Amino acid sequence: QAVVTQEPSLTVSPGGTVTLTCGSSTGAVTSGHYPYWFQQKPGQAPRTLIYDTNNKHSWTPARFSGSLLGGKAALTLSGAQPEDEAEYYCFLYYSGVRVFGGGTKLTVL
Amino acid sequence: QVRLQQSGPGLVKPSQTLSLTCSISGDSVSSNSAAWNWIRQSPSRGLEWLGRTYYRSKWYNEYALSMKTRITINPDTSKNQFSLQLNSVTPDDTAVYYCASHYFKYWGQGALVTVSS
Repeated sequence: QAVVTQEPSLTVSPGGTVTLTCGSSTGAVTSGHYPYWFQQKPGQAPRTLIYDTNNKHSWTPARFSGSLLGGKAALTLSGAQPEDEAEYYCFLYYSGVRVFGGGTKLTVL
Repeated sequence: QVRLQQSGPGLVKPSQTLSLTCSISGDSVSSNSAAWNWIRQSPSRGLEWLGRTYYRSKWYNEYALSMKTRITINPDTSKNQFSLQLNSVTPDDTAVYYCASHYFKYWGQGALVTVSS
């Protein structure tokens, strides 16, 4: 089974910009992996921020955006807020099978 | 607004079968544009997609490779719900289990299932 890799932890200053990345053990991540990004806060279920690379749900703050960057999926947070401190998970599709990354703990400090 | 309500036992004995149900309101399990997922989360394994079921003129299932030999996800059109069965469980299957809709837009409330004798 493919392995999806993420930075274990990142720190961003309030108002700052940070990019989280999502790599695949099988090679470059493409739109064909239909990348998702989830946000999870303690004691809550994950919440989808981005689906199919760069699509947002109605509740996704405008400061979050998804893209493909250097062979990886990327989640960029522009103008970080204290409430963005959370765990972020990437999720990729591989021919009928779907795999989560290990998550990135984002600290806003 | 779609709502997913999970039900099932919170304690399962080793070697037995874990069974959970997800009841859907606001959508149809047999919608041609929907898909219905099971996910679990544990401190040791993180988030893990288990599988999904969906209807496109006929029923399809897709399962995580690590689960394929002991998982079944079934729709129940009469009750508008779908279920998860995981056979031969071990303590390693202890986790919070979630159901979720297509695009993972809507999630169930989550249910801690403990495998212990």
